[in-house]
Amino acid sequence: QSVLTQPPSVSGAPGQRVTISCTGSSSNIGAGYDVHWYQHLPGTAPKLLIYANTNRPSGVPDRFSGSKSGTSASLAITGLQAEDEADYYCQSYDNSLSGSVFGGGTKLTVL
Amino acid sequence: QVQLVQSGVEVKKPGSSVKVSCKASGGTFNSYIISWVRQAPGQGLEWMGRIIPIFGTGNYAQKFQGRVTISADESKTTVYMELSSLRSDDTAVYYCARDMGGVVPAGWFDPWGQGTLVTVSS
Repeated sequence: QSVLTQPPSVSGAPGQRVTISCTGSSSNIGAGYDVHWYQHLPGTAPKLLIYANTNRPSGVPDRFSGSKSGTSASLAITGLQAEDEADYYCQSYDNSLSGSVFGGGTKLTVL
Repeated sequence: QVQLVQSGVEVKKPGSSVKVSCKASGGTFNSYIISWVRQAPGQGLEWMGRIIPIFGTGNYAQKFQGRVTISADESKTTVYMELSSLRSDDTAVYYCARDMGGVVPAGWFDPWGQGTLVTVSS
């Protein structure tokens, strides 16, 4: 059971928009700690997509965006492409565990 | 640009220990914080702990307290993660990553090492 809750899977057709939610609690996202997002393809290292809730590292397309409100955060992907098919993870800090925590991951399928 | 290169595949017996290395290049070693994250087969990412090399001591996720030791060798610009009392459910890919947090590990991880597969089997 992950501290941050994500839907196990989402799907969308090419060109569509999908969102992935990340729900936490008052000891992590709700306490004001930043949320970060990663894309993970099988056999490769995770790749940072969004840091500090809304920021994109250089090289990440602007089709990817992040938001945060209250005890939750979301990753939005617009203009879906086949290459976006991957697992996506949110990450934050939890002050009751005194450590970094991840969501359980969401598998994105591009139909 | 920081690059992290990890050691190779390990196969271990239950009850033994494993030590995985993560060599950093491209920056000032003592300015880094390095975290370790693992992914067991079919499971998600799991943070294990981190080290601030200039302080020399690690801090660890509660789940791994007493079983994991993260250390750093400045002369080799290398960070190590040692996990003891291995069990079959420790079979996983272990990643090191530059941790962009401060004293509180609330930052993001970037870049990541390529990962090291550790298999625990009798």
